[in-house]
Amino acid sequence: GEDVEQSLFLSVREGDSSVINCTYTDSSSTYLYWYKQEPGAGLQLLTYIFSNMDMKQDQRLTVLLNKKDKHLSLRIADTQTGDSAIYFCAERGGGATNKLIFGTGTLLAVQP
Amino acid sequence: KAGVTQTPRYLIKTRGQQVTLSCSPISGHRSVSWYQQTPGQGLQFLFEYFSETQRNKGNFPGRFSGRQFSNSRSEMNVSTLELGDSALYLCASSLETSGRSEQYFGPGTRLTVT
Repeated sequence: GEDVEQSLFLSVREGDSSVINCTYTDSSSTYLYWYKQEPGAGLQLLTYIFSNMDMKQDQRLTVLLNKKDKHLSLRIADTQTGDSAIYFCAERGGGATNKLIFGTGTLLAVQP
Repeated sequence: KAGVTQTPRYLIKTRGQQVTLSCSPISGHRSVSWYQQTPGQGLQFLFEYFSETQRNKGNFPGRFSGRQFSNSRSEMNVSTLELGDSALYLCASSLETSGRSEQYFGPGTRLTVT
């Protein structure tokens, strides 16, 4: 089945690290993505990881993938108030399709 | 390069009417996907087009349809609008449908059905 779950809310203080978690169920997922959505805006692609990787780092962002547990996380180092947004993880299955299954989204609130 | 553009940005329609939304992908991208975002259901896949062919379709009624033109621009149409069709409709473009394919989203069209 297709199901992607995330915790609904995370609150951190400015300068701390944020960790947003995601679990998925489709073991055939090839790519896993993190998107950011600010109020009234579309989705901004932050980063992605291929399913045969364990970790990917991109500046302040670190993605960890535990394929055995079907668990994905996004760590944001030195979180800033501008990072306040909703974060979505998404999985893409195998084959010639770009269909994404999105998680429920995690609202990240950064306190100054 | 210009990003994904969607028109119109906001739309208000009455129940029973029909609506057409437009999406222009990033130059050179041939794949366009559509998603519906609502507070209750979250982000749900509508359909996907590649080189004018529908590659995949989500679990939506036949009132929802789409097409893609030879220049990769895409339109989606919703007929006989219902109140529950009120949503943010997002379009995403990608270079292709296999291998590494980063999808970039437009700002969306906010549809309100009264």
